Amino acid sequence: EADIYQTPRYLVIGTGKKITLECSQTMGHDKMYWYQQDPGMELHLIHYSYGVNSTEKGDLSSESTVSRIRTEHFPLTLESARPSHTSQYLCASSEPSGRAGNEQFFGPGTRLTVL
Amino acid sequence: GDSVTQMEGPVTLSEEACLTINCTYTATGYPSLFWYVQYPGEGLQLLLKATKADDKGSNKGFEATYRKETTSFHLEKGSVQVSDSAVYFCALSDPNFGNEKLTFGTGTRLTIIP
Repeated sequence: EADIYQTPRYLVIGTGKKITLECSQTMGHDKMYWYQQDPGMELHLIHYSYGVNSTEKGDLSSESTVSRIRTEHFPLTLESARPSHTSQYLCASSEPSGRAGNEQFFGPGTRLTVL
Repeated sequence: GDSVTQMEGPVTLSEEACLTINCTYTATGYPSLFWYVQYPGEGLQLLLKATKADDKGSNKGFEATYRKETTSFHLEKGSVQVSDSAVYFCALSDPNFGNEKLTFGTGTRLTIIP
């Protein structure tokens, strides 16, 4: 069973607010990922990290930022939320390359609504 | 670049019907292939995987065989249940890119009616 957690599960917030979506995993995985899932279900990689102090932008441009100060923690921040940021955000982690074919373990997601 | 093409949804079946969700891929190397499932209100869970040609992944009555010659990884189940209602994603990881990232298909929503 995957041990990856996301908080909050649901968030409704007004335009212009700063928000941080939390993601933690207890599996000791080096690699972590953030995906944005639109209402049409498609998943878009927005950020990933190879380990502590490593962050990279994903395939979809995002106004959000991430940090990786601890192995287990990979928070995502929006400095000024807008209605266009309304989406489901999924966090994932994986073992080092070559093991298990890069299986990723997903958290339950945060559904963000910006009014 | 890598890509995954999935059968368009939504798919609606009666309980105990046979299921096939088609998935084909394009990759430069020999990728690992995955099926993930997303139940309502939850994140994705790995359903099954195959890491090389002719491997068959199986779990919970679902099966998929890695077919290199047709670049396919179709998901099958002989008799579906209401509890199988979910969104199913086909995905690949390409070793040419160090298995760093997954490329997902667009997802297929499956609804099983009693």
